[in-house]
Amino acid sequence: SYVLTQPPSVSVAPGKTAKITCGGNKIGSKSVHWYQQKPGQAPVMVIHYDSARPSGIPERFSGSNSGNTATLTISRVEVGDEAGYYCQVWDSGREHVVFGGGTKLTVL
Amino acid sequence: EVQLVESGGGGVQPGRSLRLSCEASGITFGDHVMHWVRQAPGKGLEWVSGITWNSGTIAYADSVQGRFTLSRDNAKNSLYLQMNSLRPEDTALYYCAKGGGHSGYDLTGHMDVWGKGTTVIVSS
Repeated sequence: SYVLTQPPSVSVAPGKTAKITCGGNKIGSKSVHWYQQKPGQAPVMVIHYDSARPSGIPERFSGSNSGNTATLTISRVEVGDEAGYYCQVWDSGREHVVFGGGTKLTVL
Repeated sequence: EVQLVESGGGGVQPGRSLRLSCEASGITFGDHVMHWVRQAPGKGLEWVSGITWNSGTIAYADSVQGRFTLSRDNAKNSLYLQMNSLRPEDTALYYCAKGGGHSGYDLTGHMDVWGKGTTVIVSS
């Protein structure tokens, strides 16, 4: 089955840039979606189709996808960005949705 | 405002059954793919099952295949998950999510609206 690998944690200072990676075999050939989940809340989609930002999501959130790695970039990080972040793809071989294990973003 | 409200969770013994429901409002429910995603305590998101607009395609995670059945009633704006032969590892918060793909046939896309979830606890 298709596996998505995320670092368990990323730490960043306020105002700096955070990069959260999502690794998978030839993930660049797939569409990657990203979700933010704050404690006690349901997930919220922040990026879809690799780099598209839905309405209401700040421009500070951006995405890229190439080769074996997709990346969620959060610029000018704020304390309110502290959350878990999950990547998601469709595994066409098994016809399954696949989520990465999640990355906890800590804003120092 | 688009809203998804899950219900039907609770405590149940291993081997027993439970039926979850998700009622949608603020959307034309019958136009959209729908999914269930679960999250065990302190763990990450795990996709459970997804269904196209007309129930023509239903997909399941390996962990629930053969035990869970997903269905929908577009006239009632509702999604259902029949969970049989429950196991302790099925204990989780179960979210209903609306598919945001290119069409009501597209299971491959993102999930753009989520409910708040309903909790299932499987324990003796």
